[in-house]
Amino acid sequence: EVQLVESGGGLVQPGGSLRLSCAASGFTFSSSWMHWVRQAPGKGLVWVSRISTDGRSTYYADSVKGRFTISRDNAKNTLYLQMNSLRAEDTAVYYCARAGLGANRNAADSWGQGTLVTVSS
Amino acid sequence: QSVLTQPPSASGTPGQRVTISCSGSSSNIGANTVNWYQHLPGTAPKLLIYSNDQRPSGVPDRFSGSKSGTSASLAISGLQSEDEADYYCAAWDDSLNGVVFGGGTKLTVL
Repeated sequence: EVQLVESGGGLVQPGGSLRLSCAASGFTFSSSWMHWVRQAPGKGLVWVSRISTDGRSTYYADSVKGRFTISRDNAKNTLYLQMNSLRAEDTAVYYCARAGLGANRNAADSWGQGTLVTVSS
Repeated sequence: QSVLTQPPSASGTPGQRVTISCSGSSSNIGANTVNWYQHLPGTAPKLLIYSNDQRPSGVPDRFSGSKSGTSASLAISGLQSEDEADYYCAAWDDSLNGVVFGGGTKLTVL
């Protein structure tokens, strides 16, 4: 069974930093592209970032480009999202998700339960 | 303002068929496949349809997807109370070089 467990969320002041982790199990993590998606309170799903299997190819939403960094450790089956220069509008539940295979890697076929990030003074 | 446009709400009675639309442009839906997600608040989102019209294993055949040009739609037949949820369309956008989501449609089963 695919399991994705996010951690690292919490309360942080504007301008601060936070690193989210996503522990993966039940599938071959090193063979899967991965996504981060977020949902602000009362709002819809918004894609944040995507990473290739070897970590060499990364993609970001314009709203986080230059501030967030996605990475992975295939030896630890773990996905990361380093978030710097946080703003109030980054407040959201952050989900990690496994990308579909091959041509379907834009889809997210398994999701974690999410971790809440609150940016406030 | 979302790149993909969905109606904010939809409704139907049990057993009815409902359709949710998703409108995009030549850089997203017009050029790439569409995926649909079901999301109940407080739970993990679920992939409902991928590659325009494909259902992952375990998704009932009451759910179907289609795409034409720069628009896509999700149809739910034989509506059930458990289908009450938020539904999102998504696609890769070649101009933005990222995934774009619709704003979501809240489905109410009357």
